[in-house]
Parts: sequence; C-alpha cells; structure tokens
Amino acid sequence: DAGITQSPRHKVTETGTPVTLRCHQTENHRYMYWYRQDPGHGLRLIHYSYGVKDTDKGEVSDGYSVSRSKTEDFLLTLESATSSQTSVYFCAISGLAGGRETQYFGPGTRLLVL
Amino acid sequence: GENVEQHPSTLSVQEGDSAVIKCTYSDSASNYFPWYKQELGKRPQLIIDIRSNVGEKKDQRIAVTLNKTAKHFSLHITETQPEDSAVYFCAATPFGNEKLTFGTGTRLTIIP
Repeated sequence: DAGITQSPRHKVTETGTPVTLRCHQTENHRYMYWYRQDPGHGLRLIHYSYGVKDTDKGEVSDGYSVSRSKTEDFLLTLESATSSQTSVYFCAISGLAGGRETQYFGPGTRLLVL
Repeated sequence: GENVEQHPSTLSVQEGDSAVIKCTYSDSASNYFPWYKQELGKRPQLIIDIRSNVGEKKDQRIAVTLNKTAKHFSLHITETQPEDSAVYFCAATPFGNEKLTFGTGTRLTIIP
C-alpha cells in the first residue's frame, strides 16, 4: 500500500487539547496531503506539502497546522481540538512514477473529540 | 477553482448487472480524472484513471469514459460482484496540478 503509515490509528481526546497526527512515507514522494473525510462531504483537503518546509492551505484549513521537516514525515496538528474536528483523517502522497496528480492514501486515523 | 459533482449518491444493482456512476467538472483545464474505491473502514484506493488525450479506458470489468466537450466522465462496472460493494469517488485536476478535487462519493451496493 504505497509505503504510507499513519499514527495513531485511533485517538479519543477532549475538547481543547492539542492533537498531532503523523504521516510517514517510505516512497520518497515529493507531495504529501492531509484530508478529512466526513459523511456527505467526501474527501476535503486540509493542507498539503510540496517539499520540505513547503506547505500550503487546502479548503478546510482553519483550526489545523502542519509541518514537514523531513521528506518522509508530514505532521498535522490540531492546536485546540473541537468536536467539529471529529473525523477520519487520511494522509496521501504523490509525485513519482504516477505523476504528481496520482495520489495514494494512507490507512487513516479515526479521531474522536469529546 | 474546480468543482466536481457526482451522481448518484447511492446505487443498488443486482449481482451480474452493470453499474454506472457519473461525474461532472467545472474547470475546462482539467485533464486528469482518477477513480477511487473505498471499502468499509479502509483507505481509498485508485482503481482506474484517465487523461484527456483518450476518451475511454478499460481494465477488465471496469471502464471510464470521458466527454471533454460536456465536461463529464463516468465509471462503468460490468458483471458486478459482491466485492464491488464500496464507496466510489471521482476526482479531477489539470495535468501537472498536484491538488485533486473530489466528488462526494457514491455508495454502491451489489444485491446478491
């Protein structure tokens, strides 16, 4: 599955606490993405990265920040989690043989904010 | 920006029949159109994609057709099987653009 892992796979947290999700790839892909998936909304882009230390916002970036200090790791941080951030979060990568448009997804992280 | 609409949101077909899922897009510059299948509790997985220099692409029982003039593309699954039950997502982007715009998904149920 394209050498992508996400951690943790499941997390329960309380409103107002900080949360960091990690995406790790072993494929040396240039581009990495964070999506959230909610019923009726499909996959919505939160942030993405086009290289080490190079990131940009997606369509639902409010309340989230990201960092990429190494090619293989892309971190998503919820500075102060809210119940509306309860979701399934997917990381994706692209940028090698399939072209930058072809994205491959990680296994997902289920986050519940109480 | 790009906007992708996907229909229907749910689809039930008898096993062995064909299923068709349709997507429309708004940006005439889009020329890469992937389809993803997501089984319950799993990650979306790329099942087929098409670029705008072709009008149709097949891979065994699945095919994708593209009509650039009308700005729509469709996924066709023939001889459906129970393992085809899943949520299917279409997406679109201009070639060379690293960001995909996804449709909202179609839940396909195959009735034995």
